[in-house]
Amino acid sequence: NAGVMQNPRHLVRRRGQEARLRCSPMKGHSHVYWYRQLPEEGLKFMVYLQKENIIDESGMPKERFSAEFPKEGPSILRIQQVVRGDSAAYFCASSPPSRENYEQYFGPGTRLTVT
Amino acid sequence: AQSVSQHNHHVILSEAASLELGCNYSYGGTVNLFWYVQYPGQHLQLLLKYFSGDPLVKGIKGFEAEFIKSKFSFNLRKPSVQWSDTAEYFCAVSPSNTGKLIFGQGTTLQVKP
Repeated sequence: NAGVMQNPRHLVRRRGQEARLRCSPMKGHSHVYWYRQLPEEGLKFMVYLQKENIIDESGMPKERFSAEFPKEGPSILRIQQVVRGDSAAYFCASSPPSRENYEQYFGPGTRLTVT
Repeated sequence: AQSVSQHNHHVILSEAASLELGCNYSYGGTVNLFWYVQYPGQHLQLLLKYFSGDPLVKGIKGFEAEFIKSKFSFNLRKPSVQWSDTAEYFCAVSPSNTGKLIFGQGTTLQVKP
């Protein structure tokens, strides 16, 4: 059973470009979470999605950031017009559909560098 | 605001020493509690978790943690560390029924052989 997959593992973008980060949850998991880790900081929650629904986006910056988890395909975290401050590691996690168990399984992360 | 505080940012121990990493959280309601570990070059892995029941929980690789509700704490312990325990350790809290994890800043553990 493959774990949570993220790609690309490393992404370099110039200021003003768009960044698209992909996350494929573990098989059978229908909940996806995105976290951001800035240098020298812990992981910060960004958004929680279920298939075709955004459940909680309280951690998402108000502008330039969006996330989706379509019925088919991976979850996408999209950052428009990237700035240097967006440089960070972005982690995706997934969990099973049961409301009794919020154990999250993490992917390897995407390290975004904005030049 | 909900927050998680890990007391130690960087811990250095010799092999066979005992380990205790502190974790406190601020949230008045019911929570689920976790410790995750990130070994060098690897992704986050779950060490142990607490949802309910016995406040002393045992995880993988000889780790355990105790939930003390009155102190809002969930400290991680291991009686005898090994060089292979060198990693970064994250405490995380999930307010009940929210799904999201609130992480502490992390503690880097370096074990000297």
